[in-house]
Amino acid sequence: DAKTTQPNSMESNEEEPVHLPCNHSTISGTDYIHWYRQLPSQGPEYVIHGLTSNVNNRMASLAIAEDRKSSTLILHRATLRDAAVYYCILRLDQAAGNKLTFGGGTRVLVKP
Amino acid sequence: GAGVSQSPRYKVAKRGQDVALRCDPISGHVSLFWYQQALGQGPEFLTYFQNEAQLDKSGLPSDRFFAERPEGSVSTLKIQRTQQEDSAVYLCASSLGTGGSPLHFGNGTRLTVT
Repeated sequence: DAKTTQPNSMESNEEEPVHLPCNHSTISGTDYIHWYRQLPSQGPEYVIHGLTSNVNNRMASLAIAEDRKSSTLILHRATLRDAAVYYCILRLDQAAGNKLTFGGGTRVLVKP
Repeated sequence: GAGVSQSPRYKVAKRGQDVALRCDPISGHVSLFWYQQALGQGPEFLTYFQNEAQLDKSGLPSDRFFAERPEGSVSTLKIQRTQQEDSAVYLCASSLGTGGSPLHFGNGTRLTVT
């Protein structure tokens, strides 16, 4: 499986944007970039995913580099509830059974 | 709406006991996954079902671990003769089964083996 590299932790102030980087230099042409987050004492939660173009949804935006070797998850206005571990994952999306392979993720701390 | 439900939420077992962990996926979800998460680590894949068929069990750490989904809905993860290293949170996830459909996770069962 292609690997991703993320910083161990990041801090942000409440109501400020958070930019979470992810490097995936060995990404293949058929890998989708998925982001999940895990709040304390909960299971992971889907955030967003994309292939080549930037993506926006109600939770976040995903900016994908032109060469696809890196991406950035953007939380536009961090709230205390956004404090979580954020996982960047590459996944083959063609088949239903393709599992998610989690790395260590980035622990985000939001300061009031 | 109802999400993925796991029970029990917490389980304490003495070393050597057998345990059974239950997962109720979202209704209509074809795919079901089990993950194990040690403290401070990311979840690790255990096994995958498509309906009642177990298509991938490559992540099961030993033959003491067994999973089933007999009617393609509820799933049970069984661990026989529990060991201390089995202490972890066990997460279940389900998805629609179409390519790219996101996984919906339950809140897990925290197993502590004493």
